[in-house]
Amino acid sequence: GENVEQHPSTLSVQEGDSAVIKCTYSDSASNYFPWYKQELGKRPQLIIDIRSNVGEKKDQRIAVTLNKTAKHFSLHITETQPEDSAVYFCAAYNTGGGNKLTFGTGTQLKVEL
Amino acid sequence: DAGITQSPRHKVTETGTPVTLRCHQTENHRYMYWYRQDPGHGLRLIHYSYGVKDTDKGEVSDGYSVSRSKTEDFLLTLESATSSQTSVYFCAITTIYGYTFGSGTRLTVV
Repeated sequence: GENVEQHPSTLSVQEGDSAVIKCTYSDSASNYFPWYKQELGKRPQLIIDIRSNVGEKKDQRIAVTLNKTAKHFSLHITETQPEDSAVYFCAAYNTGGGNKLTFGTGTQLKVEL
Repeated sequence: DAGITQSPRHKVTETGTPVTLRCHQTENHRYMYWYRQDPGHGLRLIHYSYGVKDTDKGEVSDGYSVSRSKTEDFLLTLESATSSQTSVYFCAITTIYGYTFGSGTRLTVV
C-alpha cells in the first residue's frame, strides 16, 4: 500500500518568514495530493490540493509543488502569520485504488511574533 | 458542518466494554471512512465503506468492526475496548472538495 513520509515533525518560524513542509510518497499510481490544516481541538480542513498532471499550484500565500519523478511534494507558506500556527498534514490518494487517502504524520507549525 | 456529524463527541469507557461510534451524513455520499488520530502517527485508516453493506479494512482494523445498513450512517464498533484504542476518531466523506471530516470523537478507555 501507499506510504507517506512527512518532514519536519515540528517547525518554528518568525512571523513574516516562509515555511516549507515536505512529503514523499511510495505508490507511483497516486494521483491526488491534498494538504490539511488542523487547529487545536478541531477537525482537519483542506487548504490546498494538487493533481498529478500539474507541477505547481498557488492560492494566495500558500503554494504546493509536485515532483512526480522523485515522488515528493511540498507545501510552501509565505509571509507567515500567527493564525498559520497549526498542524499540517499531507496526503496521497489513488483514485483507482479504493479512493483512500494515506496521510503523513503531520507537522506542528508555530509562528512566533 | 458540511453535512457530516459524529456522536458522541466525548466518551469514557472501561476496558472490555463494547463501544459504538456513529457517523451520520445528509448528502447521500457513497464513500465514508473511519480514521483514528494519535500523536506521532497522523491519521490512520481503520475501515471504509463504498456503499450500503460494502466495507473494507484499512491499515489499523484489528479490534474494530463497521456496519453500513443505510447510506447516511456508518457505525464503528469496538467489540471489547482496550487502552490502546484511546484516541480521537474522525469520520470522513468524499465530496467534490476532497475529504470532509466530522468533528471527531474523543474516546478514552480506562
